[in-house]
Parts: sequence; structure tokens; C-alpha cells
Amino acid sequence: SQTIHQWPATLVQPVGSPLSLECTVEGTSNPNLYWYRQAAGRGLQLLFYSVGIGQISSEVPQNLSASRPQDRQFILSSKKLLLSDSGFYLCAWSLAAYEQYFGPGTRLTVT
Amino acid sequence: GDSVTQMEGPVTLSEEAFLTINCTYTATGYPSLFWYVQYPGEGLQLLLKATKADDKGSNKGFEATYRKETTSFHLEKGSVQVSDSAVYFCALSGEGGGADGLTFGKGTHLIIQP
Repeated sequence: SQTIHQWPATLVQPVGSPLSLECTVEGTSNPNLYWYRQAAGRGLQLLFYSVGIGQISSEVPQNLSASRPQDRQFILSSKKLLLSDSGFYLCAWSLAAYEQYFGPGTRLTVT
Repeated sequence: GDSVTQMEGPVTLSEEAFLTINCTYTATGYPSLFWYVQYPGEGLQLLLKATKADDKGSNKGFEATYRKETTSFHLEKGSVQVSDSAVYFCALSGEGGGADGLTFGKGTHLIIQP
């Protein structure tokens, strides 16, 4: 069966510091991968999606970036965090069946 | 573009009450429709889905019917339990297969009191 992992589970970072969040999927090949942000415990905003290695599409201009160095690995990064980057970050995967499966999330607090 | 509208709540019910959470959508063509549930501090879990008009998705006592004529996908459960307390998200996948992500409603916070 397929599983999706995210780490770290929680993170507290000062403004201006870098960020790296990792997501990996097991048990499937060539999935579509997604990064969402959920602010204030509600509403999901799609940040990035990827249909293959090295292929990244950005939905929202911001100081975040994403990379997909391996088929089942998706990384969310920032060079300098802003207060507004605080939130709950969710990674998800899907295949051709359209539904998406989400990871447990990373709670990021920027101080 | 595509959009999903759902009541935000909070919706507060007593245990064993009947639940309806309304969801309507705007999309071109024939999207697939989903309900997700999020328990506190966790990721989203797929609750049920429907991929074509008049399909009924069901899981764990929850049901939702894809109504093309009213562009709706309302979530129902006949008798809720305290353990159903969570945030529920209605979502759609565009006709192209959703490779560019799902469109979510803002979520409905459900509180079930014993």
C-alpha cells in the first residue's frame, strides 16, 4: 500500500531563516505531487505541483520554491522566511484516478 | 475558474442528530467531486468521492450524491457521533484529471456534543 511521509512534524523558525520541508511517497511510481498551505486551520491554498522529476508548476508567486529531485520526493524551500509563511503545510500525491492523498502535515511557526 | 462553496460553520449538533453539510460548485464540463475530513492537527483524509452525475459516494455512514442539475454535492449522515467532530472539505477535480490540483471549499467545522 502507498504511504506518504512529511518531516519535520513541527518547526519554529525565526524570520529571515531558510526553510526545507520534505515529503516522500512510498508504494507507487511517477505520482503527481503537491504542496498546499493551510492558514489559521482552514482553507487550503495550492502552492506547487509536479507531474514528474524536475517539473514544477507554481500557483502562487511568493518567496517559496519547490523541487523534485527524485520520483517520490518533493521538497519545499525558502531562502528567507517571512512571518506570513506561518501555517500548516500539506503534501499530497495522486495518480490518474484524480483523488489526492495527503500526508500528516508540517506545522511551521515563523517568529 | 473552478470554485467550491460550502457553509463554514461551526455547525454544532447533538449526538445522533442528522447531518447535512451543503456544497455547491462552479466548474466547466464534468468534474469529479470529493469530501475530505480533517481531524485536529492531522492531514486530510479522503472520505468519499463521485466521478459522474448521479453517482453516490458513501463511507463510514456518510453519503453524498453528485447532482449535475443543481451543481451540488451535499454531505449527509443519518446519526452523528462525537467522533465525527472535525473539519470537512468539499473539493473538485477539473475535467482534465486534476494534475494541477484540487479546488477546495473553505471547510466546515463540525462539532458534535454528547
